Amino acid sequence: EPEVTQTPSHQVTQMGQEVILRCVPISNHLYFYWYRQILGQKVEFLVSFYNNEISEKSEIFDDQFSVERPDGSNFTLKIRSTKLEDSAMYFCASRETGIGANVLTFGAGSRLTVL
Amino acid sequence: ILNVEQSPQSLHVQEGDSTNFTCSFPSSNFYALHWYRWETAKSPEALFVMTLNGDEKKKGRISATLNTKEGYSYLYIKGSQPEDSATYLCAVVRNFNKFYFGSGTKLNVKP
Repeated sequence: EPEVTQTPSHQVTQMGQEVILRCVPISNHLYFYWYRQILGQKVEFLVSFYNNEISEKSEIFDDQFSVERPDGSNFTLKIRSTKLEDSAMYFCASRETGIGANVLTFGAGSRLTVL
Repeated sequence: ILNVEQSPQSLHVQEGDSTNFTCSFPSSNFYALHWYRWETAKSPEALFVMTLNGDEKKKGRISATLNTKEGYSYLYIKGSQPEDSATYLCAVVRNFNKFYFGSGTKLNVKP
């Protein structure tokens, strides 16, 4: 069964460093998302991406964050200067279409620890 | 921000017990409701998608109902098994494409 793959599974970084989290969505999917879950809290929406541009972003997704689909397969989330509060599990998800009934397929997540 | 509430936060049941939990949400601008099952160290997997008031979906021992007028969905598990142990997440879809997740209900089924 097709799956969304994420790398790395766990990254430890120093505060202020740049981090890039990578995702390979399912090949025929058109909508891509990043979510995060801070330990013990809700899954939070960060950004959605369609047709090579951001379609929506949350208030969390400030200037420190950016997304890219550089080569038509990878979908990356970059955090320019990490803060302690960026420590979380980051999930990539993709959908075949944007219809509300169409499910999200999630990756296994990338755990980011900022020291 | 849409407040999607799930209750209870956690649940411990014995194997064979039937159980249910709730997802509550504001009923305005509702588009769809998704239930996901999230096992530890794995990615969330879709269980059900419901869009219409009164929708009922079933997959094996698990079923779900939807009431969009009063803003809730129930997830039922009949005869719980240890392999049902997971966190069950609901997500409300508004404005076509934006998902709002609840905090999840963590189910532990003891053999």
